[in-house]
Amino acid sequence: DARVTQTPRHKVTEMGQEVTMRCQPILGHNTVFWYRQTMMQGLELLAYFRNRAPLDDSGMPKDRFSAEMPDATLATLKIQPSEPRDSAVYFCASGWGRVENIQYFGAGTRLSVL
Amino acid sequence: GQQVMQIPQYQHVQEGEDFTTYCNSSTTLSNIQWYKQRPGGHPVFLIQLVKSGEVKKQKRLTFQFGEAKKNSSLHITATQTTDVGTYFCAGSYGSGNTGKLIFGQGTTLQVKP
Repeated sequence: DARVTQTPRHKVTEMGQEVTMRCQPILGHNTVFWYRQTMMQGLELLAYFRNRAPLDDSGMPKDRFSAEMPDATLATLKIQPSEPRDSAVYFCASGWGRVENIQYFGAGTRLSVL
Repeated sequence: GQQVMQIPQYQHVQEGEDFTTYCNSSTTLSNIQWYKQRPGGHPVFLIQLVKSGEVKKQKRLTFQFGEAKKNSSLHITATQTTDVGTYFCAGSYGSGNTGKLIFGQGTTLQVKP
């Protein structure tokens, strides 16, 4: 049963610390998306990649967030330094990036910054 | 910019009542998708609509895509407690096939048994 795997599932950290979230997309998918979900803002697109190349990261605070795909099986989202307002659930999703652009979501990383 | 508006934000119904959520875009969509997120879970794909005026059914769920491809709706007949969750519409624009979706804010459905 193919699925998107995200680690860690939960992360509690102190303000100012670096946070790294990882995502393993479904094998064969060429598009990877990072979303942030909060009660106030809903589901926000932070960045996405196609064939490992960043297509759009306009939704991401550039000064502290960075997203990379070191290889086809791993996408990372880093926050440095973290702030309490970054507390949210971060979802990774992958897809084929075609007309049938269905996205398959991972279980998410619940981040709490104290 | 491209934006998808979804209403209502919340809906409380008695089990057995019907439920409808609406999605609107200011510009023409190439297709629209619907996702369901259970409490504490992640969004899960339900269906995709591509053609103008398209109607699709999944058991008690009926999905419609407007003639102008600017709006869509999800209707649930005779809700059950298993329908609880947040329903998102997500629109795709243009023909670039980047895979990018613009998600609505979601409608959270509560069902009283």
